Amino acid sequence: LAKTTQPISMDSYEGQEVNITCSHNNIATNDYITWYQQFPSQGPRFIIQGYKTKVTNEVASLFIPADRKSSTLSLPRVSLSDTAVYYCLVGDSNYQLIWGAGTKLIIKP
Amino acid sequence: EAQVTQNPRYLITVTGKKLTVTCSQNMNHEYMSWYRQDPGLGLRQIYYSMNVEVTDKGDVPEGYKVSRKEKRNFPLILESPSPNQTSLYFCASSLSVPTGTDNSPLHFGNGTRLTVT
Repeated sequence: LAKTTQPISMDSYEGQEVNITCSHNNIATNDYITWYQQFPSQGPRFIIQGYKTKVTNEVASLFIPADRKSSTLSLPRVSLSDTAVYYCLVGDSNYQLIWGAGTKLIIKP
Repeated sequence: EAQVTQNPRYLITVTGKKLTVTCSQNMNHEYMSWYRQDPGLGLRQIYYSMNVEVTDKGDVPEGYKVSRKEKRNFPLILESPSPNQTSLYFCASSLSVPTGTDNSPLHFGNGTRLTVT
């Protein structure tokens, strides 16, 4: 059975780079890895998606090793407004969605 | 503006009184789904729909019904709500299935906080 594992919480400071890792040991071979951000009282919001190696957009980077058993969301130079819960999402071999439990990121001044 | 709209945002009801939470998207998305979010349990899928008139159970479908008569709407129905259905509910949509080779990102509504007493 596919499962994803993320740290429950992380702290960092403004201006730092933050890396959040998700392990997904049974991801479907043709599935993408997607990360979402959720602020209080809002629905999750898509951040980034990738299949392998590295993907970068204006918000974040996503690093995926060759075995695809984990992925790392990288947030460069975080600010207070990056305080949120971050979820990874993968599909398993049965095309079911497997959500991580979420990582609560707190950015301090 | 492209969005997923849920109504109501807040709802307090009593056990056994049927209710419907509406969800509408204006992006012509094929895939729609409902989640509940509870502290410590993350996001759990209730039902999903890959297209009009096609619905399937998610991880926690007991006590819920859905329908997909039109592409844009996907209402969640609680025929006889119970206190254990007190939760934060999210509707989400995507252009196509959010997994596999299609893998379209999900767009979420802002949630409906339901309290059943």
